[in-house]
Amino acid sequence: GQQLNQSPQSMFIQEGEDVSMNCTSSSIFNTWLWYKQDPGEGPVLLIALYKAGELTSNGRLTAQFGITRKDSFLNISASIPSDVGIYFCVPQGYDKVIFGPGTSLSVIP
Amino acid sequence: GAVVSQHPSWVICKSGTSVKIECRSLDFQATTMFWYRQFPKQSLMLMATSNEGSKATYEQGVEKDKFLINHASLTLSTLTVTSAHPEDSSFYICSARSGGGRTVGPLHFGNGTRLTVT
Repeated sequence: GQQLNQSPQSMFIQEGEDVSMNCTSSSIFNTWLWYKQDPGEGPVLLIALYKAGELTSNGRLTAQFGITRKDSFLNISASIPSDVGIYFCVPQGYDKVIFGPGTSLSVIP
Repeated sequence: GAVVSQHPSWVICKSGTSVKIECRSLDFQATTMFWYRQFPKQSLMLMATSNEGSKATYEQGVEKDKFLINHASLTLSTLTVTSAHPEDSSFYICSARSGGGRTVGPLHFGNGTRLTVT
């Protein structure tokens, strides 16, 4: 079956540091989405990537859709306490949507 | 931005009763809606996919008679947990997207429903 790996599983960083996380899959996807989930709430869309090789920024967030369409990374620059949460990569095919296992981010003030 | 409203945000029910959760897309037509279940400190687990006007497609291991899904319009899908038991207690989240085939939009999520069965 399809495999989706997301790393790291968790991160503890100092406020102000940059963060990098990535996802790799065994299958090709048409879209890569990145979401953030706060406790007790639904995931919120951060960045959507639609083309292989696409590099997109949203404020301090930058994400890229891998050329092979099997991977993506998300970078957060100059982290702040409100960046705390769980980040999910969500590759999307025509008929399937898969959730990555998530990266739990903790920011130490 | 696109908004998905999920209601109720939390519900407590007695074992054996049924609970209905609503998911509404407020400013776009949701051709496809997804229902997820999330256990503490885990990722979202897809339960079923529903397209407007069609029967839902359930993931392996999810009982369709237990979790009834109705997607009667382009803005509303409901999940009914029938004859709920304590092991059904969980965080249920819906998501919706517009489009289809090669032109699907991104997923937009509701804020989830915390179900507690006593």
